[in-house]
Amino acid sequence: AQKITQTQPGMFVQEKEAVTLDCTYDTSDPSYGLFWYKQPSSGEMIFLIYQGSYDQQNATEGRYSLNFQKARKSANLVISASQLGDSAMYFCADYRQGGKLIFGQGTELSVKP
Amino acid sequence: EAGVTQSPTHLIKTRGQQATLRCSPISGHTSVYWYQQALGLGLQFLLWYDEGEERNRGNFPPRFSGRQFPNYSSELNVNALELEDSALYLCASSSDPMTGITGYTFGSGTRLTVV
Repeated sequence: AQKITQTQPGMFVQEKEAVTLDCTYDTSDPSYGLFWYKQPSSGEMIFLIYQGSYDQQNATEGRYSLNFQKARKSANLVISASQLGDSAMYFCADYRQGGKLIFGQGTELSVKP
Repeated sequence: EAGVTQSPTHLIKTRGQQATLRCSPISGHTSVYWYQQALGLGLQFLLWYDEGEERNRGNFPPRFSGRQFPNYSSELNVNALELEDSALYLCASSSDPMTGITGYTFGSGTRLTVV
């Protein structure tokens, strides 16, 4: 079955440092899309960044960038200059035809002051 | 612009009862998606509605059902509640149902507790 794997249940990072959250995907489709979402304790899923399988460059959105390595089927999220407000759960997701996102199990990020 | 709104924020029901959860999409969005986030199970796709029709459903029993109204708002109904239905139910909307590349916008969810 096609799936998304996030191998880091929890991560700690010092404030102002960069952190990389890992995500690997498993698909045989040539066309796919990968998303990262942030879920604070309030529960809302906040869209961070998107990478399409045909995109030539790695996606960037402010302090968020995606390290997309197609051959390795990885789409790691890099957060630069971590802030205390970045403490949350982070989910990687793969878009499938039929309107659905397949989510990984998530990584809980804690930013230390 | 108002985001995706869900109501109620919390719901407590007894096993065997029915629960109704509501979702209002962002104005102009025609697609509504429902996801279940149960403890330890991650987010699971439940249902997709577009233009009033159910377009796809996840691997859930028939007692999970819903509908989409002409104004594109949506209801999720869960009949014959079981303890394991306790979860955060998230609704999302999008304006691009075929590719989703615009990114879904999620609401804050309804936390359903079955006792």
